[in-house]
Amino acid sequence: DAKTTQPNSMESNEEEPVHLPCNHSTISGTDYIHWYRQLPSQGPEYVIHGLTSNVNNRMASLAIAEDRKSSTLILHRATLRDAAVYYCILEYGNKLVFGAGTILRVKS
Amino acid sequence: DAGVTQSPTHLIKTRGQHVTLRCSPISGHKSVSWYQQVLGQGPQFIFQYYEKEERGRGNFPDRFSARQFPNYSSELNVNALLLGDSALYLCASSFNRASSGNTIYFGEGSWLTVV
Repeated sequence: DAKTTQPNSMESNEEEPVHLPCNHSTISGTDYIHWYRQLPSQGPEYVIHGLTSNVNNRMASLAIAEDRKSSTLILHRATLRDAAVYYCILEYGNKLVFGAGTILRVKS
Repeated sequence: DAGVTQSPTHLIKTRGQHVTLRCSPISGHKSVSWYQQVLGQGPQFIFQYYEKEERGRGNFPDRFSARQFPNYSSELNVNALLLGDSALYLCASSFNRASSGNTIYFGEGSWLTVV
């Protein structure tokens, strides 16, 4: 299975931008890149996804490297509500392949 | 609009018993997937169903089975429960089958404890 590699944890100050990196060097041309976040005792919440081009939505931006071997989730202004485990996921075949995720801590 | 709904939210079973977990996808979604999330780990893919047919299966034993009904709801069944089956079971739905770039939405999960 294709795998993603993320930092175990990151810390950010409130109202500052956050860049969450993800490496996926074994990605194939048809694999979509998804980002989800998860709070304790809750299901994963969709954040954003893309294939080749950078993507923006109301929650975040996704910057995908030209060779697609890495991507970065950008939260433009972190709030305390953004503290969660962030998963960078490849979608291939008929499944999402989750990694270990990054624990994001936001300081006030 | 209702999101992905799962039932029951919590349950406790004894080793060797059987469990059935249920999932209702978002209205209009035809694809349902099941994931197992053990405490401290990311979710692991179990099954995907699309248009009532199994379209993918993860590395889980035959004790795990599932089906999708004509209204696109789904059941996950686990037989001969082991202590290691204790986990959060997540259901996810999307309009189309995976690999099409559709947004995939997760439910809040069913917490299964096996004692």
